[in-house]
Amino acid sequence: EVQLEESGGGLVQPGGSLRLSCAASGFTFSNYAMSWVRQAPGGGLEWVSAISDSGAMTYHADSVEGRFSISRDNSKNTVFLQMNSLRAEDTAVYYCAKDGYLVWGQGTLVTVTS
Amino acid sequence: NFMLTQPHSVSESPGKTVTISCTGSSGDIASNYVQWFQQRPGSAPTTVIYEDNQRPSGVPDRFSGSIDRSANSASLTVSGLKTEDEADYYCQSYDNGIHVFGTGTKLTVL
Repeated sequence: EVQLEESGGGLVQPGGSLRLSCAASGFTFSNYAMSWVRQAPGGGLEWVSAISDSGAMTYHADSVEGRFSISRDNSKNTVFLQMNSLRAEDTAVYYCAKDGYLVWGQGTLVTVTS
Repeated sequence: NFMLTQPHSVSESPGKTVTISCTGSSGDIASNYVQWFQQRPGSAPTTVIYEDNQRPSGVPDRFSGSIDRSANSASLTVSGLKTEDEADYYCQSYDNGIHVFGTGTKLTVL
């Protein structure tokens, strides 16, 4: 069964950092691009970052450019989202998704508050 | 910036058919695939349509997707509505490597 499981969310103060992980199983991870998508409380879906299958290419939304960084470890079937300089408006459930969005994880909640 | 605009909400009765639109702000919506997601309260999104009009296994054929190039829009049609179809629906596409999600539509089945 194809599965994605996010972890690493939690409570953090403004200006702080957090690293999210997404562990994949049930498919050949190194063959697929991966993405992170977030959803603020009561809000819609917002694309955050994407990474190519090899990790050579990364893309970020303007709202997180320069603060967030996506990476992956194909030997561990895991994609990461390093989030720095966090702001209150980054508070959201963060989902990882497989290339083409056919598979989604269950999400991990990030709350940025003092 | 490229945007995808959806109606805020739609409602229809059980057994009827509803169509949700997703209109691109510029360019040619047909130049990139469009996906559609269903999200029930408290749950992660699930895909109901991918690559414009393909259904993942397990999604009933009551769900269908289409593209209207003349209107620069995509549509999700749900026929034979059931109460379980009540959810938020989002379209998604791409623009020069950037992933874009639609504004979302709340479907009420009453």
